[in-house]
Formats: sequence, C-alpha cells, structure tokens
Amino acid sequence: QQQVKQSPQSLIVQKGGIPIINCAYENTAFDYFPWYQQFPGKGPALLIAIRPDVSEKKEGRFTISFNKSAKQFSLHIMDSQPGDSATYFCAASRGTGFQKLVFGTGTRLLVSP
Amino acid sequence: NAGVTQTPKFRVLKTGQSMTLLCAQDMNHEYMYWYRQDPGMGLRLIHYSVGEGTTAKGEVPDGYNVSRLKKQNFLLGLESAAPSQTSVYFCASSTGLNTEAFFGQGTRLTVV
Repeated sequence: QQQVKQSPQSLIVQKGGIPIINCAYENTAFDYFPWYQQFPGKGPALLIAIRPDVSEKKEGRFTISFNKSAKQFSLHIMDSQPGDSATYFCAASRGTGFQKLVFGTGTRLLVSP
Repeated sequence: NAGVTQTPKFRVLKTGQSMTLLCAQDMNHEYMYWYRQDPGMGLRLIHYSVGEGTTAKGEVPDGYNVSRLKKQNFLLGLESAAPSQTSVYFCASSTGLNTEAFFGQGTRLTVV
C-alpha cells in the first residue's frame, strides 16, 4: 500500500529550468511533509519540510507548495543547476504516536548543462 | 561529530548465511530506524525504535530482527539471508516526532 505517491519517476531539465515534482498522500493524519535529496552513493538528506498550516515554504531555490484540500504537495527548484542532479524523495509522517516517515518512490532529476 | 555511521558498507552473503548490520549515532537521538531502498520502491521501513530497549515493526519486517541495547546503537540482523534481501540498507536517527531524520551512508548487501 503506497501511502505517498510520487511523480514523475524521472525528469530531465536544462540548466535554469524549473523542475516540479509532485506527491499525493491519503492519510489526513499526516502533519509533516519533508523532502529529502539523495546523491549517488550517499544517504538521503533533508532538503526542506512543510507543515499543513502553511501553503508554501521557500528555502533558497527550493519551494514546497502544499494543497491540504487536494492532499497534494510539490517541490519546485528555481534556476536549477547541474549540481541539483540527484534523486528526490517526498515523505510524510504524523506527530502522534510513533514517528514513522513514509516515503514516496523517488524522482531521479538530471539537470543538463 | 560523525552523525550516523553504518558498518559494513558492502557485503556479499550466500543464501542462508546470517549477518548483523551495525548502526551507531553520536547525536543522542531517541528514535532510530532501518530502511531498505530498492529501485522504484523508495525507502521502506523495516524496524524502528523509539528509545533504548524498545523496537517495533515497520512496513517490511519479515526476515529481519533488531536490537537496541544501547541508545546509540541499533542493530539489524538477518538470520537466514535470501536473494530477496539484496538491497541497500539505510539507518537513520531523529530526536523525536516530526523532526529531521539523519541518515547513514548505507550498506549495500548482495545475497547470492
């Protein structure tokens, strides 16, 4: 059972483009939505996270848009660079009970020079 | 400050062999997790722990056991390895609810 659905599986953009990665969730109890970035041979690392009381959060070139009614959230990368080429995972968890991060299936992003 | 350290980084096992993966964190985190990562399937939670001496099952616990005898260590055991357990295993830790999870570098395990 995939609790967080992520798309697309892979994405190629040119340098300076704005890749958008989308995620949808089912469990309305989720109240924490992080994005993780993973480079080849490395573990995932937190990129940016949002809670459902805001509709948008920006950190540098990275923006999360959150639509609570649609149960969707997305990652936008402004002015993308070749160094942004990585796999991106959305995730979700809830603050009550045991914290268990549920991950999407990942999006492999390639930013061409 | 090493963060989360996994040992070993690579391992090849024969079917039926056993092994233990070690995860150590130096951030005094309460929560620790073991995930497996397979192509096209993202990261799936195997087992987790919310404190020393406690463990619980995640999404895909079958064939694995864990122990958390010390707060800083979380061990993942495979009693009788199967080819289906070929994967990259990640350990992570966090301070608590809805906080950043810090991941180790991963262990690439191949079962032949």
